[in-house]
Amino acid sequence: AQKVTQAQTEISVVEKEDVTLDCVYETRDTTYYLFWYKQPPSGELVFLIRRNSFDEQNEISGRYSWNFQKSTSSFNFTITASQVVDSAVYFCALSPPPSQGGSEKLVFGKGTKLTVNP
Amino acid sequence: EAQVTQNPRYLITVTGKKLTVTCSQNMNHEYMSWYRQDPGLGLRQIYYSMNVEVTDKGDVPEGYKVSRKEKRNFPLILESPSPNQTSLYFCASSATPFSGANVLTFGAGSRLTVL
Repeated sequence: AQKVTQAQTEISVVEKEDVTLDCVYETRDTTYYLFWYKQPPSGELVFLIRRNSFDEQNEISGRYSWNFQKSTSSFNFTITASQVVDSAVYFCALSPPPSQGGSEKLVFGKGTKLTVNP
Repeated sequence: EAQVTQNPRYLITVTGKKLTVTCSQNMNHEYMSWYRQDPGLGLRQIYYSMNVEVTDKGDVPEGYKVSRKEKRNFPLILESPSPNQTSLYFCASSATPFSGANVLTFGAGSRLTVL
């Protein structure tokens, strides 16, 4: 069975601090995809990144960076120089490989609530 | 604009009063799905549909029904709502049967309160 663990329920930082959100996943599949979504206070889900299991290159997008390590089954997310607008709930998710022509769902972690204080 | 539209966005209802949450996408997506979000539990899948007339249960289907008579619409039906169905509901779609290679597009969410 697939499982995603976000051990940090809530994190509070002061603006301009760097913060890392942890994500550990469990799967027996060799092919899978990992995702991060952001849920701001307004409630919508905003896609941030997708990574397939064969691509372990780290990725940087502005202040955001992601560290994918298959050896530790982790896909951590770092925000550099955090801003108040980064305050949100962040979800890590795992997609099993497709079956019968398609995969059924995303398996989500329980989310990490990040509060960035001015 | 490409989007997934859910209605209503907010609803307060009473136990037992049937309700439908509509979901419509304008991207000609084959795959659609419903999730519910509860504090401390993250998002859990209720039902999904690989295409028209093809639906299947997710992790928490009890108390819900769905239908997929048209490609663009995937309504979520609560025949007899109960307080434990108070939640934030999300509809999502993707272009082809979701394989992770696609990105799920989510609606804005529907916050339902059952008294």
